[in-house]
Amino acid sequence: EAQVTQNPRYLITVTGKKLTVTCSQNMNHEYMSWYRQDPGLGLRQIYYSMNVEVTDKGDVPEGYKVSRKEKRNFPLILESPSPNQTSLYFCASSPYSVRSARYEQYFGPGTRLTVT
Amino acid sequence: QKEVEQDPGPLSVPEGAIVSLNCTYSNSAFQYFMWYRQYSRKGPELLMYTYSSGNKEDGRFTAQVDKSSKYISLFIRDSQPSDSATYLCATRNTGGFKTIFGAGTRLFVKA
Repeated sequence: EAQVTQNPRYLITVTGKKLTVTCSQNMNHEYMSWYRQDPGLGLRQIYYSMNVEVTDKGDVPEGYKVSRKEKRNFPLILESPSPNQTSLYFCASSPYSVRSARYEQYFGPGTRLTVT
Repeated sequence: QKEVEQDPGPLSVPEGAIVSLNCTYSNSAFQYFMWYRQYSRKGPELLMYTYSSGNKEDGRFTAQVDKSSKYISLFIRDSQPSDSATYLCATRNTGGFKTIFGAGTRLFVKA
């Protein structure tokens, strides 16, 4: 089954404790992205990756890091989480590439993060 | 001004009604338009996408784009309780790397 998986689904942590949210896709997509979703603000892009070792900032990258060492994985790293990073996080992948005019995205189930 | 504006609702309709969901966008460079449906506690799932202006139909769903007024719509015919969800419009420019999402409209279809 084609899917995007994220782990963990729920996470409660304390300010300053480094954490990583994993994301994996099995569709051989080159494009992957991280979003956060907050009430009234919708989905906002944190980082995206066009391919292995190619990443770039989205609209709200502050406080986050990403890496893309393998095509299927795109982990989101919070080096020193703060309460304003409490949110619902989604990973997505897309068949988009420089050769393909396919812009639709496929989302994971979400990770609900609470930072106290 | 947000690049994509969407009324958050909630919108409540009786079963069988025709539902109209709408968004406006500000950047005339946007050419690719999408609608996503998000059930509670789930990730968004793609419903439909369309390029440039015009209509696109898929079963009970019709997506409409009016580039002259920068207005996009999703119509749901014969709405069902299972259509109760949040609907997100999204857009991007051709060749662009970022998708811009609306805040989403919550829809409730009452049996």
